[in-house]
Amino acid sequence: NAGVTQTPKFQVLKTGQSMTLQCAQDMNHNSMYWYRQDPGMGLRLIYYSASEGTTDKGEVPNGYNVSRLNKREFSLRLESAAPSQTSVYFCASSVVYYEQYFGPGTRLTVT
Amino acid sequence: GENVEQHPSTLSVQEGDSAVIKCTYSDSASNYFPWYKQELGKRPQLIIDIRSNVGEKKDQRIAVTLNKTAKHFSLHITETQPEDSAVYFCAASIGQAGTALIFGKGTTLSVSS
Repeated sequence: NAGVTQTPKFQVLKTGQSMTLQCAQDMNHNSMYWYRQDPGMGLRLIYYSASEGTTDKGEVPNGYNVSRLNKREFSLRLESAAPSQTSVYFCASSVVYYEQYFGPGTRLTVT
Repeated sequence: GENVEQHPSTLSVQEGDSAVIKCTYSDSASNYFPWYKQELGKRPQLIIDIRSNVGEKKDQRIAVTLNKTAKHFSLHITETQPEDSAVYFCAASIGQAGTALIFGKGTTLSVSS
């Protein structure tokens, strides 16, 4: 039982490049989430998927897209990376109104 | 948009003292309020949560109180230990469906021995 896994762990991009962050969970959770964490800003919700086949915008969705590929997998795509997207990205999953389980995070630097 | 305010941003206590962190929320439909602890370089992990039908919940040295009328909730840690040093985040569920959470900006707790 791996819980929530994320790939890659680290990534460096140049401005304008694109990439996809992958997330998978093996806990049979319906809901999945993407957050970014910047110093002093807490965890800010980018997008979430309440159930397979649905996605919704969070607090800071601009510059990102998501895909709920199936019940297990939820990916986050940066189409044209900007330095302002330098951050640590966390994926999480949960049953509604219960604990969100976080992945180990992806540290992204955009130069 | 919905908002969660958390205070203080930093808190330093001596080992054995109590620590209190306070949060206020704006969405009157919020009904689930978890607290997460994040150690340096690690992922956030749930330490305690409370639902709106409960006013207080305890788990050993940790307790959470909720005042729905005033829209605020608090984390209380008693008999603090050096291993309690971490960043603590409060959060509130959003909207009627309550599927997503809005987090506070975090409190860095330092416990010195």
